[in-house]
Amino acid sequence: KQEVTQIPAALSVPEGENLVLNCSFTDSAIYNLQWFRQDPGKGLTSLLLIQSSQREQTSGRLNASLDKSSGRSTLYIAASQPGDSATYLCAVTSSGAGSYQLTFGKGTKLSVIP
Amino acid sequence: NAGVTQTPKFRILKIGQSMTLQCAQDMNHNYMYWYRQDPGMGLKLIYYSVGAGITDKGEVPNGYNVSRSTTEDFPLRLELAAPSQTSVYFCASSTTGGVDTQYFGPGTRLTVL
Repeated sequence: KQEVTQIPAALSVPEGENLVLNCSFTDSAIYNLQWFRQDPGKGLTSLLLIQSSQREQTSGRLNASLDKSSGRSTLYIAASQPGDSATYLCAVTSSGAGSYQLTFGKGTKLSVIP
Repeated sequence: NAGVTQTPKFRILKIGQSMTLQCAQDMNHNYMYWYRQDPGMGLKLIYYSVGAGITDKGEVPNGYNVSRSTTEDFPLRLELAAPSQTSVYFCASSTTGGVDTQYFGPGTRLTVL
């Protein structure tokens, strides 16, 4: 059974710092890995999707890497801003019970202090 | 384009009551999903559908039922509400099952007392 772990559970940084969020998964047989952002009381917004054949994806100040063989991914946020404060969720797509299933980590709650 | 919409936003139920959580998408996506999120936890898949008329169980289906009569709508039914079903429920949709992203609705916060 696929399990996804995110470390740390919470992170507080001053504005302007670069930071790294970590995600690990137990079964390397994945189709892709996604990073989502969740604001309080809101739904999830997809930030980056990395296919299993890719090593990284970039969008603006965000860069996500994937090392499938070691079961790890990192989300790098450059020059953090207070507006980046949110919970970041990592999820992997695996084959399960005849179809694709998304397995989520518990998230990292990020606070960027002005 | 409204994306994925969910109603209601909030609901309080008494133990044993029934209700239907509504979900609709206007992106013509074949795949639709229901998840629940408990405090401090990741999302867990309840049910999913690969197209109209086809549904299947996810990781935590007990106590729930679904139907998919149209491409657009995917309601989730709670027949006999229990306190363990207190959670935030998210509906999502995607074009294909594995290689593209899922688009999420804003969620329904359900409390069972």
